[in-house]
Amino acid sequence: AQSVTQLDSQVPVFEEAPVELRCNYSSSVSVYLFWYVQYPNQGLQLLLKYLSGSTLVKGINGFEAEFNKSQTSFHLRKPSVHISDTAEYFCAVTERYTGRRALTFGSGTRLQVQP
Amino acid sequence: NAGVTQTPKFQVLKTGQSMTLQCAQDMNHNSMYWYRQDPGMGLRLIYYSASEGTTDKGEVPNGYNVSRLNKREFSLRLESAAPSQTSVYFCASSDPSNIQYFGAGTRLSVL
Repeated sequence: AQSVTQLDSQVPVFEEAPVELRCNYSSSVSVYLFWYVQYPNQGLQLLLKYLSGSTLVKGINGFEAEFNKSQTSFHLRKPSVHISDTAEYFCAVTERYTGRRALTFGSGTRLQVQP
Repeated sequence: NAGVTQTPKFQVLKTGQSMTLQCAQDMNHNSMYWYRQDPGMGLRLIYYSASEGTTDKGEVPNGYNVSRLNKREFSLRLESAAPSQTSVYFCASSDPSNIQYFGAGTRLSVL
């Protein structure tokens, strides 16, 4: 079994400031890691993913995340946020090497960008 | 370029009524999923289907049934709706690299 913990339920930040959204996971097997973004009243869309290779992954809209296996973390960062980044962000994990592809999600972090 | 399509977008039911949520994908994906989203709890898996003709329970299957009608369609049925099933329901499908694609969701209220 696996679990995902998003340490902050809400993160207020001023426009053009940097931001980090934290994610820790627990799993007994190797995993794939994802960040999804949900804008108000919309479905989820993929922001970025870690499947293998470089531990620093870049996604859409200037976001990036770093996979840290020893700390079982996958924190999301952006050096300068915009008002349009206001949304809810979900970290998710799924097991490698199994037929079960369903995602386990964290509880979400609401990013509120203020002018 | 529709991706994953869910119907209806909104629904209000009375306790005890039944309904089916429809989902279709046009990306030729084998795997499909139903999740529910509740405030502060992220998304939780209700049922999934690894391929046409197979379905498996997820984390919160009680009170729901599913049908994988063909490769494109995966429906979710509430036989006797309860207020605890008030939620936003998302259907998704996944490609071979495990990336999931989500529909726009169905907002269900059970009174």
